[in-house]
Amino acid sequence: GAVVSQHPSRVICKSGTSVKIECRSLDFQATTMFWYRQFPKQSLMLMATSNEGSKATYEQGVEKDKFLINHASLTLSTLTVTSAHPEDSSFYICSARDPEKNTEAFFGQGTRLTVV
Amino acid sequence: SQQGEEDPQALSIQEGENATMNCSYKTSINNLQWYRQNSGRGLVHLILIRSNEREKHSGRLRVTLDTSKKSSSLLITASRAADTASYFCATDPGSQGNLIFGKGTKLSVKP
Repeated sequence: GAVVSQHPSRVICKSGTSVKIECRSLDFQATTMFWYRQFPKQSLMLMATSNEGSKATYEQGVEKDKFLINHASLTLSTLTVTSAHPEDSSFYICSARDPEKNTEAFFGQGTRLTVV
Repeated sequence: SQQGEEDPQALSIQEGENATMNCSYKTSINNLQWYRQNSGRGLVHLILIRSNEREKHSGRLRVTLDTSKKSSSLLITASRAADTASYFCATDPGSQGNLIFGKGTKLSVKP
């Protein structure tokens, strides 16, 4: 079964509105989670590292005020796309690793965001 | 920044044939992982190979790692139509836990 759960899987929103995406680790506590973005027919690009109890670390070129990340508990990180625009339409995927095992990363199912 | 390069970008084969995908990377790594992604879906972990390993098998999958050449290959033997998907290599630099993905190979297996 899924170790990392992401919700929603699909969302359509109007330009200017905000959308929240949730990422939950089900079998372990994740002090760190990662948010990736994938454009059609392209690879995954790391957007930011979500740190439980502290500020997220954003990759170069990613606007922190536009992509708000909150990691309020050891099992939940949220990504909020604020004032969404059509160019924000993409596939967003979160991942987490079990810190006690330090093996493969587990990925959520992904969220297909369409801004109209 | 994205450091993995994979080739081929697209591969089309007949069912029963073997599929080989290659991945090259730029920096030192802790391990290298291969993932599969069906169209529009999340990633499924296939296999992890550590930097001190040279070859690893899992079912019909065989992965090699050459750290001197900074390259890895994924071989899928006796392919099936259900193997049709995109395959990504991802390197773990071992610092913060994030992965750096290659561009991926889109595999199409025709029945």
